[in-house]
Amino acid sequence: QVQLQESGPGLVKPSQTLSLTCIVSGVSMSSGSYSWTWIRQQPGKGPEWIGYIRYSRDTYYNPSLDSRVTMSMDTSHNQFSVSLSSVTAADTAVYFCARTQSTGDNWFDPWGQGILVTVSS
Amino acid sequence: EIVMTQSPGTVPASPGEGVTLSCSASQSISNKVAWYQQKPGQAPRLLIHGASTRATGIPVRFSGSGSGTEFTLTISSLQPEDFVVYYCQHYNMWPPWTFGQGTKVEVK
Repeated sequence: QVQLQESGPGLVKPSQTLSLTCIVSGVSMSSGSYSWTWIRQQPGKGPEWIGYIRYSRDTYYNPSLDSRVTMSMDTSHNQFSVSLSSVTAADTAVYFCARTQSTGDNWFDPWGQGILVTVSS
Repeated sequence: EIVMTQSPGTVPASPGEGVTLSCSASQSISNKVAWYQQKPGQAPRLLIHGASTRATGIPVRFSGSGSGTEFTLTISSLQPEDFVVYYCQHYNMWPPWTFGQGTKVEVK
């Protein structure tokens, strides 16, 4: 059974960098069969796709966040990460990691349980 | 960016009834639509992909249809645990992949 688990600080100060890690279990990220994605959900809104990273380390980011987002992958520890710089209160959200296909059928399954990140001084 | 618009925002219904939720894309996206269910405090769960293919373990009362720009999710007989929020998502061609704003199914 594939499981994903987000970790990181729940509180980040404005203008600082938000950094989260997703630990994957039940499947080896080294297999290259999947890509790995980050999604966030602001309070009371629909999910927002942040970006994804392929086994090749190619990354694709949402243009609305592109200048502030960086994703990386550590297959030796079966985990991947996201950093979002210069955060503001608008970046307060539940952040989810999820698996997607490598073949272009980019639905998201499964998801991690999510981690609430609040941006506040 | 492709905009996904869901309607209605809220659907009042009774247990045992059937409901149909709609999702419209701002441009043609073939059948590249997924549907998710989200319970309070939980992550979204994949229900449907490819517009009409049920994900593993999803009950047969959930069905999807549509292509091009218009898509629907039908729940044939509402169970108590179905009164939650549903989202559509497109994954056509290149990102960004976007979600609708959600439809809440509530008890009438």
